[in-house]
Amino acid sequence: QSALTQPASVSGSPGQSITISCTGTSSDVGSYNLVSWYQRHQGKAPKLMIYEGSKRPSGVSNRFSGSKSGNTASLTISGLQAEDEADYYCCSYAGSSTLAFGGGTKLTVL
Amino acid sequence: QVQLVESGGGVVQPGRSLRLSCAASGFTFSSYGMHWVRQAPGKGLEWVAFISDDGINKYYADSVKGRFTISRDNSKNTLNLQMDSLRAEDTAVYYCAKDLYSRGWYGFDYWGQGTLVTVSS
Repeated sequence: QSALTQPASVSGSPGQSITISCTGTSSDVGSYNLVSWYQRHQGKAPKLMIYEGSKRPSGVSNRFSGSKSGNTASLTISGLQAEDEADYYCCSYAGSSTLAFGGGTKLTVL
Repeated sequence: QVQLVESGGGVVQPGRSLRLSCAASGFTFSSYGMHWVRQAPGKGLEWVAFISDDGINKYYADSVKGRFTISRDNSKNTLNLQMDSLRAEDTAVYYCAKDLYSRGWYGFDYWGQGTLVTVSS
């Protein structure tokens, strides 16, 4: 199982929009609509932000959205806020009853 | 409210065994698939294992296949991970996580706080 590829870091100013990419292959991201995204603040458990590619759990702000094009999934955060500063991880079903995570992206709000 | 509380972590020598447990509450445990996910120091998240709601279907990452065994006791609302033949590279914080559905791969909607496993001589 290979890890998905995420940028190590992204940054943006309050109010701006940012996008975090998650690149896999035709065997994982490209073949299934089963990408999820997690927000992780230091010292806390991960929080589910997006599942099945673009669905938001109850209670998650609509500033967070997910999409996919080919083998790349994306998480977009609009109207960036200071509280959005965290690590973000993508995860995809990778076939053969396995899951693969991305390496994580550190979001800095300038 | 949903709670997942891991226990059983500690320091263990290479080649030895350790058993982790996760006590679940606040939801119908027997209706959901459960996972173990780990994070090594300075590394990202790594999926370890999954067990279906009824305990019949079990799947593992290649890195632990043949050494780790996931199990559950639905009468006690408990998830377990038996870790044998431990290696230094198994050193990590181990999290139990609840799947959104019973048998799927849809996402983890609740996570525990984790338990640290250190494999060292």
